[in-house]
Amino acid sequence: GDSVTQMEGPVTLSEEAFLTINCTYTATGYPSLFWYVQYPGEGLQLLLKATKADDKGSNKGFEATYRKETTSFHLEKGSVQVSDSAVYFCALSLNTGNQFYFGTGTSLTVIP
Amino acid sequence: GAGVSQSPRYKVAKRGQDVALRCDPISGHVSLFWYQQALGQGPEFLTYFQNEAQLDKSGLPSDRFFAERPEGSVSTLKIQRTQQEDSAVYLCASSLVNPSGGAYEQYFGPGTRLTVT
Repeated sequence: GDSVTQMEGPVTLSEEAFLTINCTYTATGYPSLFWYVQYPGEGLQLLLKATKADDKGSNKGFEATYRKETTSFHLEKGSVQVSDSAVYFCALSLNTGNQFYFGTGTSLTVIP
Repeated sequence: GAGVSQSPRYKVAKRGQDVALRCDPISGHVSLFWYQQALGQGPEFLTYFQNEAQLDKSGLPSDRFFAERPEGSVSTLKIQRTQQEDSAVYLCASSLVNPSGGAYEQYFGPGTRLTVT
C-alpha cells in the first residue's frame, strides 16, 4: 500500500548547521509530496510541496526535490536557526480528495 | 483569513462516555478530512467528506466512531462509549478540490486532545 518512511529522530543540531531529514515513499500511482511542520503548541503547517518528478519545493530556506528514481523527498536546509526547532512530517497524497499518508515525524532541536 | 478551527481544544472523558468534536473548515473548502494522531506518531486518516457526502470512512477504527457534515461546512466527529485507546489528538483538515485531479495541500486545525480516563 501507499506509505511514507521518515528518518527517525530526535535530531539535535547547532545553529547554522546543515540539515537533512530523509523521506522515502511507496505509492501505487504518481503522488504529490509534502513537508509539514508542527511548532511547539501549534497545528500542522504546510512547509513545502512538489507535485511531479524533479520538482523542487522550497520555503523559508528549506528545500526538497521529488526524486522518482529513488522514491525520495529529502528535506534540506543549509543553515538552521533556533526557530526551526519543531517536528517535521513528510506526507504524500495521490489525488485530490484522497487522504494524506504521513510519516512518523522527525523532531528537530536547534541549540544556540 | 480564518483558518480551520476545532473545539474543544481539550477534552477529558471517562471511559464509556460519548464525546463530540467539532470542526469549522476554511470557508469555501469542499473537502474535509479527519485524522487521529497518537503521541509520537504521524496523523492517520479516519474519514473524508466532499461537501456533505462522506466519500471515504475506511479509516474509522470501529463502529463507535461516527462523523457527519450535514450542510457541507461544519463537521462533527462523534465517539461513542470511549475507550482508553481512543486517547489521541483528533485533527481536522480542509482543502479545495483540484479540477484536474492532483492533490491540493490540506490546511489543518489545531486539533482536539482527547484523554479517556
